[in-house]
Amino acid sequence: QVQLVQSGAEVKTPGASVNISCKASGYIFNNYYMHWARQAPGQGLEWVGMISPSGASAIYAQKFQGRVTMTRDTSTSRVYMELSSLRSEDTAVYYCARDPHYIYFHYMDVWGSGTTVTVSS
Amino acid sequence: DIQMTQSPSSLSASVGDRVTITCRASQNINNYLNWCQQKPGKAPRLLIFAASSLHNGVPSRFSGSGSGTEFTLTISSLQPEDFATYYCQQSYNPPFTFGPGTKVDIK
Repeated sequence: QVQLVQSGAEVKTPGASVNISCKASGYIFNNYYMHWARQAPGQGLEWVGMISPSGASAIYAQKFQGRVTMTRDTSTSRVYMELSSLRSEDTAVYYCARDPHYIYFHYMDVWGSGTTVTVSS
Repeated sequence: DIQMTQSPSSLSASVGDRVTITCRASQNINNYLNWCQQKPGKAPRLLIFAASSLHNGVPSRFSGSGSGTEFTLTISSLQPEDFATYYCQQSYNPPFTFGPGTKVDIK
């Protein structure tokens, strides 16, 4: 079955970087965009960015520009998100999600179970 | 960035009730609007994409409508498993912003 399995929880100090992975299985990895979204404790969902099926392009939300990098490895069917210069406000659950990009529509049809990132001194 | 708002922010309803949630965009987004459901401690689940297309496996009691700047999600007969938070999301232009959510709980 289609699955997205994310890496385990991380605890980081302010100023550090975190690299989260998301392994896809059960479908043709190269045919889909991949998104990342996050959810701070008790808050709503926030879109972080997306990466194209080939990995050649990525679009990030302006507030993360310069701090986030999304990559993908077709040989292992994994997508990665690195977030640098961490601050306490980055404490959140980070989700990866698949996007079929059907016709012209982007939507997130399968989600990973989330990776908790805690930023604390 | 396109701003998304939802109303109400929360509602209490009973099993069998018809529930309607409204989502508004700060500019015309045609029908580039998705709805997802999230239960506590769980990942979101896609319900509706392109404003009115039901995702595979989603019960037919869920429906979406609207275009331009105003959209609705309707649950025709609320079931116990539908108590959750619902988010709209625009995919017209990145960043693909989410609405603040509507929490549906038991009356």
